[in-house]
Amino acid sequence: QVTFKESGPVLVKPTETLTLTCTVSGFSLSDRRMGLSWIRQPPGKALEWLAHISSSDEKFYRTPLKNRLTISKDTSKSQVVLTMTNMDPVDTATYYCARTIVWLINDWAQGTLVTVSS
Amino acid sequence: DIVMTQSPDSLAVSLGERATINCKSSQSVLFSSNNKNFLAWYQQKPGQPPKLLIYWASTRESGVPDRFSGSGSGTNFTLTISSLQAEDVAVYYCHQYYSTPLLTFGGGTKVEIK
Repeated sequence: QVTFKESGPVLVKPTETLTLTCTVSGFSLSDRRMGLSWIRQPPGKALEWLAHISSSDEKFYRTPLKNRLTISKDTSKSQVVLTMTNMDPVDTATYYCARTIVWLINDWAQGTLVTVSS
Repeated sequence: DIVMTQSPDSLAVSLGERATINCKSSQSVLFSSNNKNFLAWYQQKPGQPPKLLIYWASTRESGVPDRFSGSGSGTNFTLTISSLQAEDVAVYYCHQYYSTPLLTFGGGTKVEIK
């Protein structure tokens, strides 16, 4: 059974850096064809893909946010970390980590609502 | 990026009636070498993460009721709920995984009971 545990702050101030950790179980981050993406959803709005890390540690980012995002993983800890710098109120959203199999998003974490406010 | 456009934004359907949601992609998501459309549908209920319903445009995920079906190819796709149940009230999203890594989603369609 695939499960996720997301951890990170629920409130960040403008200009601060957000760090979110996704700890997975039920699969290995080194399994071929597996990857992990981060997706966000502003309140009442649609889903927006942010970043992806593959089993071979290739990293991909949403182009307009590329300079603000960093994704990394620790396979031994089954963890993937997303950092987003220079947070702004428009970044207020529920952030999801999700498992992909050959890029299809199969399983989603419950999500973490992050509010950006001073 | 491939832009995914859903219609309508919302619809209200009577219990037991058919609900139809459309999704149009700005470019074809059909991969010619395997003749597969890289198009998925998700269901999102309030306070929950999205749930995979359909992939390859028409393949139901395990455990998804057969009242849900997907159709279409290339740039035009449809999700049909053949007989709407109360538990189907949700927002539905189409999603292309053809243009990797730039994954994109439609804007969502809210389905309610009339």
